[in-house]
Amino acid sequence: AQKITQTQPGMFVQEKEAVTLDCTYDTSDPSYGLFWYKQPSSGEMIFLIYQGSYDQQNATEGRYSLNFQKARKSANLVISASQLGDSAMYFCAMREGQVYNFNKFYFGSGTKLNVKP
Amino acid sequence: DAGITQSPRHKVTETGTPVTLRCHQTENHRYMYWYRQDPGHGLRLIHYSYGVKDTDKGEVSDGYSVSRSKTEDFLLTLESATSSQTSVYFCAARDSFPPKESYEQYFGPGTRLTVT
Repeated sequence: AQKITQTQPGMFVQEKEAVTLDCTYDTSDPSYGLFWYKQPSSGEMIFLIYQGSYDQQNATEGRYSLNFQKARKSANLVISASQLGDSAMYFCAMREGQVYNFNKFYFGSGTKLNVKP
Repeated sequence: DAGITQSPRHKVTETGTPVTLRCHQTENHRYMYWYRQDPGHGLRLIHYSYGVKDTDKGEVSDGYSVSRSKTEDFLLTLESATSSQTSVYFCAARDSFPPKESYEQYFGPGTRLTVT
């Protein structure tokens, strides 16, 4: 079974609007972490936001927020007020196990976001 | 950028030749990873390292080997390159013990490998 599923291969959003990128995950480990990375056309991987499985509140980082629904095993990324520079590939990822151990990370297949002017 | 560099950044090679990609880090990260990125697959783990001389296989390790003789260098070798190994390769690193524990992995800039 896929550990991380991103069902939206591509999305369009109008500049200044909000957009939600979907991510569902599969794990039986009670301790895990969820991440979103941005990959612009230049190719580098940019860390955006992190949510720990025991965190009570949804993570936020500037215009990025993570809508964490533990019972549904979903960790959607919300980008508010989209900008042209947000056009990129976005990857959801999961770390299984406690943060103070060695962990493997699992990545989804990505969502390509295009922001239209 | 957590001090991670990869070399070469681009390489074209012929089927059947051995290829070595280098990942170099300057931050004394303990754990290191090699991934490949292919369209529709995201990043898939090839090999990883717990520490110097401690390595193990990831989910797509066939045809690859790694070595880590010192903390700062993690080498990925394609023993006999095939066209199916054409990909973008990313190195990543992480620490999990105080005071340098980090939630996320830090990535290198990637190496684009083409096998003809």
